[in-house]
Amino acid sequence: DTGVSQNPRHKITKRGQNVTFRCDPISEHNRLYWYRQTLGQGPEFLTYFQNEAQLEKSRLLSDRFSAERPKGSFSTLEIQRTEQGDSAMYLCASSSNMGDTEAFFGQGTRLTVV
Amino acid sequence: GESVGLHLPTLSVQEGDNSIINCAYSNSASDYFIWYKQESGKGPQFIIDIRSNMDKRQGQRVTVLLNKTVKHLSLQIAATQPGDSAVYFCAENPSWGKLQFGAGTQVVVTP
Repeated sequence: DTGVSQNPRHKITKRGQNVTFRCDPISEHNRLYWYRQTLGQGPEFLTYFQNEAQLEKSRLLSDRFSAERPKGSFSTLEIQRTEQGDSAMYLCASSSNMGDTEAFFGQGTRLTVV
Repeated sequence: GESVGLHLPTLSVQEGDNSIINCAYSNSASDYFIWYKQESGKGPQFIIDIRSNMDKRQGQRVTVLLNKTVKHLSLQIAATQPGDSAVYFCAENPSWGKLQFGAGTQVVVTP
């Protein structure tokens, strides 16, 4: 499968714990995005990488959230000291570098904070 | 059947009929728009896109119409099938590299 891959698919954690999600984009795609989606809502933009550079961060991305893409390939999203309000689907997408093109999404990681 | 997006978040359509899903976008600077389909428990799946220099674009069984004057986007699905049941999102790019999604419309196809 050469699509966007996200791991894990599901994560249940206790409040206060740290969690880390991984995204492997489509191999030739330079751009990588993280979105968060809560039930009944559209995806909300969190952050965006062009290769290894993090170019934009949403105000939704509090200081408990950090994203990295160290080698310009896979990316990780870490949430520290999780809160119940962090429960959501975290989606990763990637796109090519050729102007505005469609973003391909992974299946997401569903986080439940208990 | 026809939906006005946020005002009618669920669109019920009979199998074989045409569906029209509407979306009002917010940013006049957006120049690229995409329709995504999302099935339960899955990530959004690309359906069709359109750039601001176009008014209409057709794909397989789908047509997207763009009216920049009133900032309105619609998705038409011809001969709706049970597999079309999903939530449909329109997305716009208010700035380079970022997509902004609407709230979505649930399409339910009845036999």
